[in-house]
Amino acid sequence: AQSVTQLGSHVSVSEGALVLLRCNYSSSVPPYLFWYVQYPNQGLQLLLKYTSAATLVKGINGFEAEFKKSETSFHLTKPSAHMSDAAEYFCAVSVNTGFQKLVFGTGTRLLVSP
Amino acid sequence: KAGVTQTPRYLIKTRGQQVTLSCSPISGHRSVSWYQQTPGQGLQFLFEYFSETQRNKGNFPGRFSGRQFSNSRSEMNVSTLELGDSALYLCASWDPSGGLLETQYFGPGTRLLVL
Repeated sequence: AQSVTQLGSHVSVSEGALVLLRCNYSSSVPPYLFWYVQYPNQGLQLLLKYTSAATLVKGINGFEAEFKKSETSFHLTKPSAHMSDAAEYFCAVSVNTGFQKLVFGTGTRLLVSP
Repeated sequence: KAGVTQTPRYLIKTRGQQVTLSCSPISGHRSVSWYQQTPGQGLQFLFEYFSETQRNKGNFPGRFSGRQFSNSRSEMNVSTLELGDSALYLCASWDPSGGLLETQYFGPGTRLLVL
């Protein structure tokens, strides 16, 4: 079965600092991987997705993630944190060929201090 | 385009009752998925509908059911509510015709509280 593990339920950074949110996947077949963000009292918003086209994926709001097969990782980064980045972030893996059925990680809450 | 809408946004029920939640996808999106989000279990897949047919189903008891109409709107029903059903229920829509070139969109969710 496919799964993702997010290391760290909470990550704290200062405004302007590098953001690094970790995600490792387990999959017996090449996976499709996704990062979503959830702001309080809202649904999820897709940040970026890996579909095997390129290992370095650029998303919205300055985020990017790199697929590393050797490390089974898909970590999310942003060079400079902004206060508005404070939210919960979810890594997900697809067990089908699309968005039909996603398996989510437990989430990482990003706290940004001034 | 209007986003994914879910109604109602908030709901309070008592144990043993049943509830129906509604999801209207983005126009043209024929795939609708449902997820349950709780602090303890996180985000869990309930089911996915495409063209009025359930294509995928998660590991939830039979009290959880759903359907999709010809206009792609979807409903999910939970019968004989239990306290543990208290959660945020999210639906998401997607146009599979474009494969993963497309993007999936989530609604704001329906927050269900079972007393």
